[in-house]
Amino acid sequence: NAGVTQTPKFRVLKTGQSMTLLCAQDMNHEYMYWYRQDPGMGLRLIHYSVGEGTTAKGEVPDGYNVSRLKKQNFLLGLESAAPSQTSVYFCASSLGQGYSYEQYFGPGTRLTVT
Amino acid sequence: AQSVTQLGSHVSVSEGALVLLRCNYSSSVPPYLFWYVQYPNQGLQLLLKYTSAATLVKGINGFEAEFKKSETSFHLTKPSAHMSDAAEYFCAVSVRVSSGGSYIPTFGRGTSLIVHP
Repeated sequence: NAGVTQTPKFRVLKTGQSMTLLCAQDMNHEYMYWYRQDPGMGLRLIHYSVGEGTTAKGEVPDGYNVSRLKKQNFLLGLESAAPSQTSVYFCASSLGQGYSYEQYFGPGTRLTVT
Repeated sequence: AQSVTQLGSHVSVSEGALVLLRCNYSSSVPPYLFWYVQYPNQGLQLLLKYTSAATLVKGINGFEAEFKKSETSFHLTKPSAHMSDAAEYFCAVSVRVSSGGSYIPTFGRGTSLIVHP
């Protein structure tokens, strides 16, 4: 099993450009999440999904959109990138919710917006 | 209110010394608690999780954490630090994001463990 994979690993964007980050998992997990990690801020939840075709906002959703058309994929889109979106983005998945279900993380995407 | 708080953004220990990383959670949330570790340029991986079966939870790499309800704490310890333990450590708690909604993990700000030879 590959676990959770993220594409691309690195990206540099100019302000105003758009891009899509792809997350894929091969563990048949129901839940998927997108986080951003900034120094001293820990991981902050952007959006999450509790199943195919469903998405919900997290703590910092502004400027991002997501889609979960297939159970194994969770896409994060930036329609008009801003320098404040420079960050490391992590995707995660879990089988369920609550104490029994830990998250599995991808290796991250380092995004720089100039 | 912050659901989970990690005291100390950096902890520095000597190799062989006791490691203690502190985590306190809000008493308003159920104790769905986790510790994750992040090595440089990698994603997070699970160290251990509290399952209510025992208050002392053993994890990988010799780490353990003790759940103390009266103190709303879930501190992470390791008796003897190794150079390879140098990493970022995150405490997480699953909180219900809305009435009747799902339990979604919320992370502390992380503690960077520095191990000196």
